[in-house]
Amino acid sequence: DAGVTQSPTHLIKTRGQQVTLRCSPKSGHDTVSWYQQALGQGPQFIFQYYEEEERQRGNFPDRFSGHQFPNYSSELNVNALLLGDSALYLCASSKGQLNTEAFFGQGTRLTVV
Amino acid sequence: GDSVTQMEGPVTLSEEAFLTINCTYTATGYPSLFWYVQYPGEGLQLLLKATKADDKGSNKGFEATYRKETTSFHLEKGSVQVSDSAVYFCALSSNAGNMLTFGGGTRLMVKP
Repeated sequence: DAGVTQSPTHLIKTRGQQVTLRCSPKSGHDTVSWYQQALGQGPQFIFQYYEEEERQRGNFPDRFSGHQFPNYSSELNVNALLLGDSALYLCASSKGQLNTEAFFGQGTRLTVV
Repeated sequence: GDSVTQMEGPVTLSEEAFLTINCTYTATGYPSLFWYVQYPGEGLQLLLKATKADDKGSNKGFEATYRKETTSFHLEKGSVQVSDSAVYFCALSSNAGNMLTFGGGTRLMVKP
């Protein structure tokens, strides 16, 4: 079981650019959530996808958008990058939208310069 | 809204010392409570959880009891090891989905 896998592991982008991060959930899981973890802080919930629809959303601007594919994998897109978007982006998967046991990937470290 | 407050670190202990990391929460209804651990360069791993008042979660020698009257979920371990050095996050989930609200994290450093 590969667990939750995220790609890429690291990337560097310039202010104003757009970025796409990818996540494959743990085998058997159908729900994917995304979190932003700034340096030295706890993760903050961005949004959750279930049955290819956004089901919950945290306090993040519309620049943050996502998608879930029929195979349950997911993408996080961030437009018009700001320096403050530099963070570790974590993907978590679970079986069922109401299941509170979430498994996290290792994250994608995004640096905006 | 929901919030989690945990003691600031770093917490530095000698091997075999007793560990307590305090966590208190504010939430509507009856949340589920969690402790996650993050080792350097890695994502989060679920350490333990409790889903109702007075439940005790335990794993790998760590324990935490869901105290509704004090809205707390303190993490304890009787004898820490160097390998326990990591950042520990307290979290809750209180809505119909499984969105997690995290505390700011507490770094634990265990010296031999």
